[in-house]
Amino acid sequence: AQTVTQSQPEMSVQEAETVTLSCTYDTSENNYYLFWYKQPPSRQMILVIRQEAYKQQNATENRFSVNFQKAAKSFSLKISDSQLGDTAMYFCAFRNRDDKIIFGKGTRLHILP
Amino acid sequence: DTAVSQTPKYLVTQMGNDKSIKCEQNLGHDTMYWYKQDSKKFLKIMFSYNNKELIINETVPNRFSPKSPDKAHLNLHINSLELGDSAVYFCASSQRGGRNEQFFGPGTRLTVL
Repeated sequence: AQTVTQSQPEMSVQEAETVTLSCTYDTSENNYYLFWYKQPPSRQMILVIRQEAYKQQNATENRFSVNFQKAAKSFSLKISDSQLGDTAMYFCAFRNRDDKIIFGKGTRLHILP
Repeated sequence: DTAVSQTPKYLVTQMGNDKSIKCEQNLGHDTMYWYKQDSKKFLKIMFSYNNKELIINETVPNRFSPKSPDKAHLNLHINSLELGDSAVYFCASSQRGGRNEQFFGPGTRLTVL
């Protein structure tokens, strides 16, 4: 079975610091897609960043970047210069060839002033 | 301008009742989804429709029945509501295919008393 594991249920960092959220997944597929979604207190699910498994280059979106290690099946999210608005639940997600998306259990991130 | 809308946003009802949640997307996407987010924030796919055809049907009680009258709508009907059905239900849409982002609705918080 395909699974997504986020080993950090909760994290806190000071504003302006850098924080890394970990994610590992398990699959026998070779081509797939990985995502990080953010869910702030407003409950809205927002895409943060995505990565195609066939691309070796790590995706970057402004302050957000990933460290994608395909062999290790690891997909961590780095947030640089963290801001108060980054406070949210962060979900790692895996999309398989059948178009099914599997989410991890989430990491609750607190950015402290 | 709302991309994915759900109604109602809040639903409080008694055990045993039947209720429906409606979802509409105006993004022209061909695939729509229903997710359940439980009290621990775990997000799990329930159903997926592509061009009005059911393509993902997870292990969900048959009290839950999705209905897609057209590509832009995917409604969720729940019969004989139980306490354990209390959760936030999210509708989402995307174009089918790996890297395409899923756009989520605002969620419907269902409380069964």
